[in-house]
Amino acid sequence: QKEVEQDPGPLSVPEGAIVSLNCTYSNSAFQYFMWYRQYSRKGPELLMYTYSSGNKEDGRFTAQVDKSSKYISLFIRDSQPSDSATYLCAMIKNFGNEKLTFGTGTRLTIIP
Amino acid sequence: GAGVSQSPSNKVTEKGKDVELRCDPISGHTALYWYRQSLGQGLEFLIYFQGNSAPDKSGLPSDRFSAERTGGSVSTLTIQRTQQEDSAVYLCASSGDYNEQFFGPGTRLTVL
Repeated sequence: QKEVEQDPGPLSVPEGAIVSLNCTYSNSAFQYFMWYRQYSRKGPELLMYTYSSGNKEDGRFTAQVDKSSKYISLFIRDSQPSDSATYLCAMIKNFGNEKLTFGTGTRLTIIP
Repeated sequence: GAGVSQSPSNKVTEKGKDVELRCDPISGHTALYWYRQSLGQGLEFLIYFQGNSAPDKSGLPSDRFSAERTGGSVSTLTIQRTQQEDSAVYLCASSGDYNEQFFGPGTRLTVL
């Protein structure tokens, strides 16, 4: 079993819908949780990171962490065609120089 | 400013040949990471450099894989006697004082 599980999709939703992306993990030592966005043929770029449990909002994006359930989510409000990409969750034990552990990524398509 | 660059962007090779993949990190970033992204597998950590030293090589899949970093800057990942299962996108990332990992666009390796 992988340390981080993520539904690979694909997920298609109409423009303007709310999108929910999720990951579960098994290692309780993870403390920092990130979401990366990856466009086709590009490297991943960091969207948001969250420390421990709680919510964090940035514009149309909200990241949510529930450490008791080992479950993290990314919500995208008012989705746009430009949001079409692969979204990868990642986590790390300490925010020092340490490897990231990634989910497999969810391919998202926003239909105009 | 310039981001992480990788070369070549695409590499097609024959089984059994050696390949070298290059990464130029963001100037001043002391940490450098190599990851591999295969279809349906997400990003898998290969090796981490701090300066020219590699304190974590735990992700290298076999002794056919090696990497070095010189002058605290450019890194080269070498795969000897390539196999078809080595086909993947090889991603490099670098990080500085704030530990966010910035990714390059990757090298797409195809082993025929």
